[in-house]
Amino acid sequence: EAQVTQNPRYLITVTGKKLTVTCSQNMNHEYMSWYRQDPGLGLRQIYYSMNVEVTDKGDVPEGYKVSRKEKRNFPLILESPSPNQTSLYFCASSPRRVPPRDNSPLHFGNGTRLTVT
Amino acid sequence: SQKIEQNSEALNIQEGKTATLTCNYTNYSPAYLQWYRQDPGRGPVFLLLIRENEKEKRKERLKVTFDTTLKQSLFHITASQPADSATYLCALETLQTGANNLFFGTGTRLTVIP
Repeated sequence: EAQVTQNPRYLITVTGKKLTVTCSQNMNHEYMSWYRQDPGLGLRQIYYSMNVEVTDKGDVPEGYKVSRKEKRNFPLILESPSPNQTSLYFCASSPRRVPPRDNSPLHFGNGTRLTVT
Repeated sequence: SQKIEQNSEALNIQEGKTATLTCNYTNYSPAYLQWYRQDPGRGPVFLLLIRENEKEKRKERLKVTFDTTLKQSLFHITASQPADSATYLCALETLQTGANNLFFGTGTRLTVIP
Protein backbone atom coordinates (compact mmCIF):
# COMPACT_ATOMS: atom_id res chain seq x y z
CA GLU A 1 0.00 0.00 0.00
CA ALA A 2 1.32 3.43 -0.96
CA GLN A 3 1.79 5.43 2.19
CA VAL A 4 3.74 7.89 4.28
CA THR A 5 4.61 6.43 7.67
CA GLN A 6 5.49 8.52 10.69
CA ASN A 7 6.74 7.28 14.03
CA PRO A 8 5.93 7.62 16.79
CA ARG A 9 2.25 8.61 16.70
CA TYR A 10 2.40 10.07 20.19
CA LEU A 11 5.39 11.40 22.09
CA ILE A 12 5.67 13.09 25.47
CA THR A 13 9.06 14.46 26.39
CA VAL A 14 10.74 17.03 28.59
CA THR A 15 12.39 20.29 27.67
CA GLY A 16 15.86 19.87 26.25
CA LYS A 17 15.80 16.15 25.57
CA LYS A 18 16.73 15.55 21.95
CA LEU A 19 14.23 13.61 19.87
CA THR A 20 13.73 12.41 16.33
CA VAL A 21 10.46 11.84 14.50
CA THR A 22 10.87 9.48 11.59
CA CYS A 23 9.11 9.69 8.23
CA SER A 24 9.27 7.16 5.44
CA GLN A 25 7.47 6.93 2.10
CA ASN A 26 7.27 3.95 -0.23
CA MET A 27 6.17 5.79 -3.38
CA ASN A 28 9.62 6.83 -4.65
CA HIS A 29 8.62 10.48 -4.28
CA GLU A 30 11.26 13.14 -4.83
CA TYR A 31 9.71 15.80 -2.61
CA MET A 32 9.16 15.53 1.14
CA SER A 33 8.11 18.09 3.70
CA TRP A 34 7.35 18.57 7.38
CA TYR A 35 4.43 20.60 8.70
CA ARG A 36 3.15 21.46 12.12
CA GLN A 37 -0.55 22.00 12.76
CA ASP A 38 -1.73 24.24 15.57
CA PRO A 39 -5.27 25.40 16.40
CA GLY A 40 -6.12 28.62 14.59
CA LEU A 41 -2.87 28.59 12.63
CA GLY A 42 -3.38 25.80 10.15
CA LEU A 43 -0.58 23.79 8.62
CA ARG A 44 2.75 25.57 8.57
CA GLN A 45 5.77 24.26 6.75
CA ILE A 46 8.90 23.57 8.80
CA TYR A 47 11.38 22.17 6.26
CA TYR A 48 11.19 20.59 2.86
CA SER A 49 13.39 18.53 0.58
CA MET A 50 13.30 18.59 -3.20
CA ASN A 51 15.42 15.45 -3.44
CA VAL A 52 18.20 13.50 -1.73
CA GLU A 53 20.70 15.79 0.01
CA VAL A 54 18.62 18.88 -0.88
CA THR A 55 16.78 20.51 2.02
CA ASP A 56 15.54 24.02 2.71
CA LYS A 57 13.70 26.02 5.33
CA GLY A 58 9.97 26.50 5.33
CA ASP A 59 8.02 29.11 7.25
CA VAL A 60 8.83 28.00 10.81
CA PRO A 61 12.23 26.22 10.83
CA GLU A 62 13.58 27.53 14.15
CA GLY A 63 14.40 24.75 16.59
CA TYR A 64 14.23 21.97 14.00
CA LYS A 65 16.68 20.07 11.81
CA VAL A 66 16.15 17.62 8.99
CA SER A 67 18.23 15.34 6.81
CA ARG A 68 17.60 13.56 3.52
CA LYS A 69 20.29 10.93 3.09
CA GLU A 70 18.06 8.59 1.13
CA LYS A 71 14.97 9.15 -0.95
CA ARG A 72 12.45 7.35 1.22
CA ASN A 73 13.35 8.85 4.63
CA PHE A 74 13.08 12.38 5.97
CA PRO A 75 13.53 12.52 9.75
CA LEU A 76 12.67 15.60 11.80
CA ILE A 77 15.09 16.34 14.63
CA LEU A 78 14.47 18.52 17.65
CA GLU A 79 17.87 19.05 19.26
CA SER A 80 16.52 20.79 22.36
CA PRO A 81 12.73 20.69 22.44
CA SER A 82 10.81 23.46 24.14
CA PRO A 83 7.14 23.68 25.20
CA ASN A 84 6.30 25.92 22.23
CA GLN A 85 7.09 22.97 19.99
CA THR A 86 4.14 21.07 21.43
CA SER A 87 2.09 20.44 18.31
CA LEU A 88 0.75 17.96 15.79
CA TYR A 89 3.37 17.20 13.16
CA PHE A 90 2.78 15.89 9.66
CA CYS A 91 5.18 14.56 7.10
CA ALA A 92 4.13 14.77 3.45
CA SER A 93 5.52 13.67 0.12
CA SER A 94 4.87 14.37 -3.52
CA PRO A 95 6.17 12.84 -6.79
CA ARG A 96 7.85 16.05 -7.79
CA ARG A 97 7.58 19.74 -7.26
CA VAL A 98 8.79 22.09 -9.94
CA PRO A 99 7.26 25.37 -8.95
CA PRO A 100 5.46 27.35 -9.80
CA ARG A 101 3.30 25.28 -12.13
CA ASP A 102 4.31 21.66 -12.27
CA ASN A 103 3.46 20.52 -8.79
CA SER A 104 1.69 17.45 -7.54
CA PRO A 105 -0.64 17.23 -4.54
CA LEU A 106 0.76 16.09 -1.21
CA HIS A 107 0.42 12.69 0.43
CA PHE A 108 0.38 13.04 4.20
CA GLY A 109 1.27 10.71 7.02
CA ASN A 110 -1.10 10.28 9.95
CA GLY A 111 0.71 12.65 12.22
CA THR A 112 2.81 12.69 15.38
CA ARG A 113 1.36 14.40 18.42
CA LEU A 114 4.25 15.83 20.41
CA THR A 115 3.98 17.21 23.92
CA VAL A 116 6.98 18.94 25.49
CA THR A 117 6.70 19.61 29.21
CA SER B 1 1.33 39.50 4.40
CA GLN B 2 -0.11 36.39 2.83
CA LYS B 3 -3.39 35.16 4.24
CA ILE B 4 -5.90 32.41 3.51
CA GLU B 5 -9.26 32.43 5.27
CA GLN B 6 -11.84 29.69 5.35
CA ASN B 7 -15.29 31.07 6.02
CA SER B 8 -15.98 29.49 9.34
CA GLU B 9 -14.46 27.08 11.78
CA ALA B 10 -17.55 24.88 11.79
CA LEU B 11 -20.52 24.25 9.53
CA ASN B 12 -23.51 22.05 10.32
CA ILE B 13 -25.92 20.94 7.63
CA GLN B 14 -28.73 18.45 7.24
CA GLU B 15 -28.11 15.21 5.36
CA GLY B 16 -29.02 15.50 1.70
CA LYS B 17 -28.37 19.23 1.48
CA THR B 18 -25.48 20.88 -0.34
CA ALA B 19 -22.58 22.00 1.81
CA THR B 20 -20.69 25.08 0.61
CA LEU B 21 -17.31 25.95 2.07
CA THR B 22 -15.45 29.16 1.27
CA CYS B 23 -11.76 29.87 0.90
CA ASN B 24 -10.67 33.51 0.53
CA TYR B 25 -7.15 34.71 -0.04
CA THR B 26 -5.25 38.00 -0.18
CA ASN B 27 -1.88 39.10 -1.53
CA TYR B 28 -1.33 36.08 -3.69
CA SER B 29 -0.78 35.45 -7.37
CA PRO B 30 -2.25 31.98 -7.42
CA ALA B 31 -1.17 29.20 -9.72
CA TYR B 32 -3.79 26.84 -8.41
CA LEU B 33 -5.74 25.80 -5.39
CA GLN B 34 -6.13 22.42 -3.73
CA TRP B 35 -8.75 21.04 -1.35
CA TYR B 36 -7.99 18.39 1.25
CA ARG B 37 -10.11 16.42 3.70
CA GLN B 38 -8.84 15.72 7.21
CA ASP B 39 -10.46 13.25 9.60
CA PRO B 40 -9.72 13.30 13.35
CA GLY B 41 -6.38 11.68 14.09
CA ARG B 42 -5.44 11.41 10.43
CA GLY B 43 -3.44 13.36 7.93
CA PRO B 44 -5.06 15.45 5.20
CA VAL B 45 -6.12 13.61 2.07
CA PHE B 46 -6.11 15.31 -1.32
CA LEU B 47 -9.52 15.77 -2.98
CA LEU B 48 -9.41 18.21 -5.87
CA LEU B 49 -7.14 20.68 -7.62
CA ILE B 50 -8.26 23.65 -9.72
CA ARG B 51 -5.96 25.79 -11.84
CA GLU B 52 -6.05 29.58 -12.10
CA ASN B 53 -7.50 29.46 -15.61
CA GLU B 54 -10.28 27.02 -14.66
CA LYS B 55 -13.63 28.23 -13.39
CA GLU B 56 -15.00 24.94 -12.14
CA LYS B 57 -13.91 21.37 -11.44
CA ARG B 58 -16.07 18.38 -10.53
CA LYS B 59 -15.46 14.96 -9.05
CA GLU B 60 -18.50 12.84 -8.22
CA ARG B 61 -20.46 14.84 -5.59
CA LEU B 62 -17.72 17.42 -5.20
CA LYS B 63 -17.46 20.71 -7.08
CA VAL B 64 -14.87 23.43 -6.76
CA THR B 65 -14.99 26.92 -8.26
CA PHE B 66 -12.17 29.41 -8.49
CA ASP B 67 -12.73 33.14 -8.96
CA THR B 68 -9.40 34.97 -9.17
CA THR B 69 -11.21 38.33 -9.40
CA LEU B 70 -12.97 37.78 -6.08
CA LYS B 71 -9.92 35.90 -4.74
CA GLN B 72 -12.18 33.10 -3.66
CA SER B 73 -12.75 29.38 -4.07
CA LEU B 74 -15.99 27.63 -3.20
CA PHE B 75 -16.11 23.92 -2.37
CA HIS B 76 -19.48 22.21 -2.70
CA ILE B 77 -20.58 18.77 -1.54
CA THR B 78 -23.95 17.87 -3.02
CA ALA B 79 -26.34 15.33 -1.48
CA SER B 80 -24.25 15.42 1.68
CA GLN B 81 -23.95 12.34 3.87
CA PRO B 82 -22.89 11.85 7.50
CA ALA B 83 -19.72 10.21 6.14
CA ASP B 84 -18.77 13.59 4.65
CA SER B 85 -18.29 14.96 8.18
CA ALA B 86 -14.66 16.04 8.44
CA THR B 87 -12.44 19.11 8.36
CA TYR B 88 -11.79 20.50 4.90
CA LEU B 89 -8.64 22.45 4.13
CA CYS B 90 -7.89 24.67 1.19
CA ALA B 91 -4.31 25.17 0.08
CA LEU B 92 -3.13 27.83 -2.33
CA GLU B 93 -0.16 27.36 -4.59
CA THR B 94 1.41 30.66 -5.62
CA LEU B 95 3.45 31.74 -8.59
CA GLN B 96 6.52 32.54 -6.55
CA THR B 97 9.63 30.55 -7.34
CA GLY B 98 10.95 27.98 -4.94
CA ALA B 99 9.17 24.96 -3.54
CA ASN B 100 7.92 26.78 -0.45
CA ASN B 101 4.85 28.16 -2.16
CA LEU B 102 1.93 26.09 -0.84
CA PHE B 103 -0.09 27.79 1.92
CA PHE B 104 -2.90 26.19 3.89
CA GLY B 105 -6.04 27.64 5.41
CA THR B 106 -7.06 26.71 8.95
CA GLY B 107 -9.91 24.52 7.79
CA THR B 108 -13.68 24.26 8.16
CA ARG B 109 -15.11 21.45 10.26
CA LEU B 110 -18.21 20.12 8.51
CA THR B 111 -20.82 18.10 10.37
CA VAL B 112 -23.61 16.46 8.37
CA ILE B 113 -26.57 15.74 10.60
CA PRO B 114 -28.63 12.61 9.80
